[in-house]
Amino acid sequence: EVQLVESGGGLVKPGGSLRLSCAASGFTFSNAWMTWVRQAPGKGLEWVGRIKSKTDGGTTDYAAPVKGRFTISRDDSTNTLYLQMDSLKTEDTAVYYCTTDLSSMLDSWGQGTLLSVSS
Amino acid sequence: QSVLTQPPSASGTPGQRVTISCSGSSSNIGRNTVNWYQQLPGTAPKLLIYSNHQRPSGVPDRFSGSQSGTSASLAISGLQSEDEADYYCAAWDDGLHGPVFGGGTKLTVL
Repeated sequence: EVQLVESGGGLVKPGGSLRLSCAASGFTFSNAWMTWVRQAPGKGLEWVGRIKSKTDGGTTDYAAPVKGRFTISRDDSTNTLYLQMDSLKTEDTAVYYCTTDLSSMLDSWGQGTLLSVSS
Repeated sequence: QSVLTQPPSASGTPGQRVTISCSGSSSNIGRNTVNWYQQLPGTAPKLLIYSNHQRPSGVPDRFSGSQSGTSASLAISGLQSEDEADYYCAAWDDGLHGPVFGGGTKLTVL
């Protein structure tokens, strides 16, 4: 059974940094493309970015609102996905989900972790 | 302002058939397949329909999807109380180089 467990959320001041983690199990993580999606309180879903598998180049893509501030990485030895978030803004406040990504079909989701950016 | 346009709400009575529309453009739905996600209250989204009309294992055949031109739709037949949820359409956008979502449709079972 695929399991994705996010962690690392919390309260951060504007301009601060935080790193989210996503522990994966139940599938061959190293072969998977992975995506982060966020959902602001009471709002819809928003794509944050994705990372390809190393065999497919391991490259990353980001949504315009986070490009240059967020970095997605992966550790295939520990089956963990990361989202490093710098220069945080209040509008980054959201629940962050990690998902498996099969040609942009997001077929498995974690339970999410909440990031609050506030002074 | 979402790239894909969905009605904010929809409703129906048990047993009814309801449809939810999703309108896009030539850079997304017009060129790429549509996926639908169901988000039950207080839970993470779940893949409901992929590649316009395919159902993942475990999704009842009451749920169906279709796509035509730059629009797509999700149909739910034999509506049940447990179908009350938010529904999101999504498609890859060639111009934005990433997937885009609709704003979501809140389905109420009366």
